[in-house]
Amino acid sequence: AAGVIQSPRHLIKEKRETATLKCYPIPRHDTVYWYQQGPGQDPQFLISFYEKMQSDKGSIPDRFSAQQFSDYHSELNMSSLELGDSALYFCASSLVTHGYTFGSGTRLTVV
Amino acid sequence: AQTVTQSQPEMSVQEAETVTLSCTYDTSENNYYLFWYKQPPSRQMILVIRQEAYKQQNATENRFSVNFQKAAKSFSLKISDSQLGDTAMYFCAFGGSNYKLTFGKGTLLTVNP
Repeated sequence: AAGVIQSPRHLIKEKRETATLKCYPIPRHDTVYWYQQGPGQDPQFLISFYEKMQSDKGSIPDRFSAQQFSDYHSELNMSSLELGDSALYFCASSLVTHGYTFGSGTRLTVV
Repeated sequence: AQTVTQSQPEMSVQEAETVTLSCTYDTSENNYYLFWYKQPPSRQMILVIRQEAYKQQNATENRFSVNFQKAAKSFSLKISDSQLGDTAMYFCAFGGSNYKLTFGKGTLLTVNP
């Protein structure tokens, strides 16, 4: 069965650089979510999209932005990266919470 | 806002034995979902079991079952016949009407041979 695809799997950036994370949801899932999991922490909700429109926003810094495209894939853009942005970033997709599935995550390291 | 509390930061169990992980939550919503996720060292988030709040029957998935007490806002996970591969961090999560998940801090479960 198709899963949620995230790319890249690993990313190393320097401080003040920009990073773009991509997420390809399960086909026909109408909602995409982004979560950030710091070392030793639980995942924290960042933002979600329903049918390509932003549906909810969590503790997402102003330096971050996201969008969902016509093919339903989503991108999380992170600018002016800080050391504290180093984390595992998960994308998940769902169809009215039925089959809420996470991708494998992108591990971002800021040096 | 919803909160999820896992009061056991770490637990251990002997292989083949049974262990129960605790989770309580707080919400004013009536319709919601509860989840247990497993996160092994690979850091993949793997859905273990899912419970709809409107269902009185406790969910089961093979060796995994839950004890859902809606009035008490309690959602514990029981793992029977524990296996070495069950060693992982387990997160309890609440999904409300806006569908985003709120996680507990996690319980690190170690299964000993």
